[in-house]
Amino acid sequence: AQTVTQSQPEMSVQEAETVTLSCTYDTSENNYYLFWYKQPPSRQMILVIRQEAYKQQNATENRFSVNFQKAAKSFSLKISDSQLGDTAMYFCAFMKLRNAGNNRKLIWGLGTSLAVNP
Amino acid sequence: DAMVIQNPRYQVTQFGKPVTLSCSQTLNHNVMYWYQQKSSQAPKLLFHYYDKDFNNEADTPDNFQSRRPNTSFCFLDIRSPGLGDAAMYLCATSRTRDSIYEQYFGPGTRLTVT
Repeated sequence: AQTVTQSQPEMSVQEAETVTLSCTYDTSENNYYLFWYKQPPSRQMILVIRQEAYKQQNATENRFSVNFQKAAKSFSLKISDSQLGDTAMYFCAFMKLRNAGNNRKLIWGLGTSLAVNP
Repeated sequence: DAMVIQNPRYQVTQFGKPVTLSCSQTLNHNVMYWYQQKSSQAPKLLFHYYDKDFNNEADTPDNFQSRRPNTSFCFLDIRSPGLGDAAMYLCATSRTRDSIYEQYFGPGTRLTVT
């Protein structure tokens, strides 16, 4: 069974600085997707970034980038130039693709609560 | 804008009184999910519909049921809510064509059980 571990329950960063959130996962699969989702306080869960396991190049979305280390099963999220609006719970999630069929479920980490301080 | 809509945003019900939460989507996605999320926890998948096929999670209590009358709408029925069912309920959608795998979430319905 797949598991996702986020070892940092809480983190804080000063506005305009850079912060890295860690995520490790355990799987015997070779074909899968990884996601980072953001859930601001009392607001909607939104996708931050996704990574296809077969792609060696790290995904980037504006100030958000990942460091995907497939052999190490590590998928960290770097937020550059942190903004107050980045304050949120961040969840790392895994989805296997082989034989997923109609069962494309996300396996979630426990989340990291990030506070961006002014 | 295409989106996932959940109504109501806040629902208060009494212990044991049936309640229905609704979700609609304008994304034309073929998969719809219902999650339960308790404070500061990850979402817990209750069940999902792949087109019309219902997929229940093994640990979802029988107290929770779902209906999907058409592509756009999906309902979560809690037949006899207990105090432990107080939570945020999230609806999400995804599509299985075009290699699109991410899920799109609604704003959630916060359920209070008194």
